[in-house]
Amino acid sequence: NAGVTQTPKFQVLKTGQSMTLQCAQDMNHNSMYWYRQDPGMGLRLIYYSASEGTTDKGEVPNGYNVSRLNKREFSLRLESAAPSQTSVYFCASSEPPGGGSPLHFGNGTRLTVT
Amino acid sequence: GESVGLHLPTLSVQEGDNSIINCAYSNSASDYFIWYKQESGKGPQFIIDIRSNMDKRQGQRVTVLLNKTVKHLSLQIAATQPGDSAVYFCAENMRSWGKLQFGAGTQVVVTP
Repeated sequence: NAGVTQTPKFQVLKTGQSMTLQCAQDMNHNSMYWYRQDPGMGLRLIYYSASEGTTDKGEVPNGYNVSRLNKREFSLRLESAAPSQTSVYFCASSEPPGGGSPLHFGNGTRLTVT
Repeated sequence: GESVGLHLPTLSVQEGDNSIINCAYSNSASDYFIWYKQESGKGPQFIIDIRSNMDKRQGQRVTVLLNKTVKHLSLQIAATQPGDSAVYFCAENMRSWGKLQFGAGTQVVVTP
C-alpha cells in the first residue's frame, strides 16, 4: 500500500517548456488535489477533483491544467512554464468528497523553472 | 478574507519537554481542523484532527485543543523527541466547501 505516489521527484524546466506531473493513489479515495508550496506561504490549492470525471479550480489555477484520468490518477500540466511556477508540488487524496476527512499527501515534485 | 494563521514561526524545545504549537483561525464557519507534520523533503503527514463539536482530542503523545470562543487551536506534544523536529501546519475546513485552508506552518526544533 504505497498511498499517494508522485512522479517525477525533481524536474528542471526552461521557461516556455511544458510538462505533466503525475499522481496516483491506491486508497480508493474519491477526491484528489494538487497543491503548491512556497516558502512562508503554506500550501495553496491549485486544482481539485471531488470525484472521477470532475475538476474545479482552487486558489491559484492560472498557468495549470489538470486531468482526472480515472479514480486513481490525477495529473497536473504546465503548458508553458514560467519562473513563478518554481515550487514544490504536492498531490493529495481524501475520502469522502466534500471535506470532513484528512488529506493524504505524496512526497512532492520539486520543480525549478529557469 | 478569513484565513488560518500561526502565532510562532519557530519553536525551540528541549528533548523530553512538552511542546505547544498554537494556531488562530478566523473563519467561524470552519467545523473541522487538522494538524499535519512535515519533515524535510517529505509531504505533510496527518497527525490528528478534531471536529467543532469537540474541544479536546488525544492521540499517541499528542493532544489537540479547540477553543471556539476565541477561535484558537493548539497541538500539544508530550515528551518531545528529536524525531518531532519538523514543520507543523494547522488546517481548517468547512464541510460545505470541502477544501482545506492551511496556515503558513511553524518550525519545531528539538534540542538535546
